[in-house]
Amino acid sequence: QSALTQPPSASGSPGQSVTISCTGTSSDIGDYEFVSWYQQHPGKAPKLMIYEVSKRPSGVPDRFSGSKSGNTASLTVSGLQAEDEADFYCSSYAGTNTWVFGGGTKLTVL
Amino acid sequence: QVQLVQSGAAVKKPGASVKVSCKASGYIFIDYDIHWVRQAPGQGLEWMGWINPNTGVTHFSQKFQGRVTMTRDTSITTAYMELSRLISDDTAVYFCARDITAAANFWGQGTLVTVSS
Repeated sequence: QSALTQPPSASGSPGQSVTISCTGTSSDIGDYEFVSWYQQHPGKAPKLMIYEVSKRPSGVPDRFSGSKSGNTASLTVSGLQAEDEADFYCSSYAGTNTWVFGGGTKLTVL
Repeated sequence: QVQLVQSGAAVKKPGASVKVSCKASGYIFIDYDIHWVRQAPGQGLEWMGWINPNTGVTHFSQKFQGRVTMTRDTSITTAYMELSRLISDDTAVYFCARDITAAANFWGQGTLVTVSS
């Protein structure tokens, strides 16, 4: 399986919105509604922010939203806050009981 | 509360094997799959595979087929990941994580495995 493609970096000022893309293929993102997004602060374990494309686990602010179109999924962070600065990873089910992650995007809050 | 507590850091020589444990608590162990994900220094997340704690059935990334073993001991609610024939590129933090519909909603704290001669 090839890794999903994410931009290496993204940035925005406090209060602004930023969208991170995650591009896969018709064998993963394009074929399943099982895209998830993780936030990872330095030295910490990843934290689930979005699952099944657009669902938020309990406790995740509604500033975080997910969507999908074709082979590309997106994570939008609205009302950016300083604590949102972190690495973000997308993941997708890729069939035959396998997962695949994206390469990660470093989000900087200016 | 759900907790996944992993074994401590390990240093191994090339060619050796390492076995990492993941002790689960706060939920019914056999009800949720456990995934293993690793992260090399300064790199991204890499999915390795998963185990169904109820049946013991496993599925692996093609990259690790033949080199990884995932097991569990339901009597002590612990999952294990063993990686053999280690090389320097296997130096990474290894995480276990609990599955929720093809996503991982609870993670262990990570275990650093260093492969060095």
